[in-house]
Amino acid sequence: EAQVTQNPRYLITVTGKKLTVTCSQNMNHEYMSWYRQDPGLGLRQIYYSMNVEVTDKGDVPEGYKVSRKEKRNFPLILESPSPNQTSLYFCASGLVPVKNIQYFGAGTRLSVL
Amino acid sequence: AQSVTQLDSHVSVSEGTPVLLRCNYSSSYSPSLFWYVQHPNKGLQLLLKYTSAATLVKGINGFEAEFKKSETSFHLTKPSAHMSDAAEYFCVVSLTTDSWGKLQFGAGTQVVVTP
Repeated sequence: EAQVTQNPRYLITVTGKKLTVTCSQNMNHEYMSWYRQDPGLGLRQIYYSMNVEVTDKGDVPEGYKVSRKEKRNFPLILESPSPNQTSLYFCASGLVPVKNIQYFGAGTRLSVL
Repeated sequence: AQSVTQLDSHVSVSEGTPVLLRCNYSSSYSPSLFWYVQHPNKGLQLLLKYTSAATLVKGINGFEAEFKKSETSFHLTKPSAHMSDAAEYFCVVSLTTDSWGKLQFGAGTQVVVTP
């Protein structure tokens, strides 16, 4: 089954404790992206990647890191989480030629205390 | 810069009645426009997209949207609501000339369907 898989689905952590949210897709997509969703704000892009070893900042990259060492994986790293990073996070992937259609994971709900 | 405004944060309809979700956009270029749906505790799913072909776009589950350049609108409609349509809907705009992954999401419209 074609899918984008995020782990964990739910995470509670404390300020300053490094964490990683994994994202994996099995559709051989070149493009992957991370978003955060906050009430009343819709989804805002954090980082995206056009291909292996090619990443770029989205609209809200501060406090986040990403890496793309393999085509299928695109982890989101919070080196020192803060309470304002409490949010619902989505990973997405897509084929570059099929412009802008993205397939989303089920989401990761993060709470930073 | 492009932007997108969903005019209703919350819409309540009765089962079997029409659904209208309103979306206005602002773009300096000819935009690509999308509607995504998010069911509770699920990721987003593409409903339909407009990419400068036919102005009336048909999507999945009986939804359709009409691109009106003169009104800068891309409203989503469905003739008869079903209970399974209860979800949050997002209007999304992307510049056709922008880097591929840059999308602007609206704030979302929560749809409630009552029996």
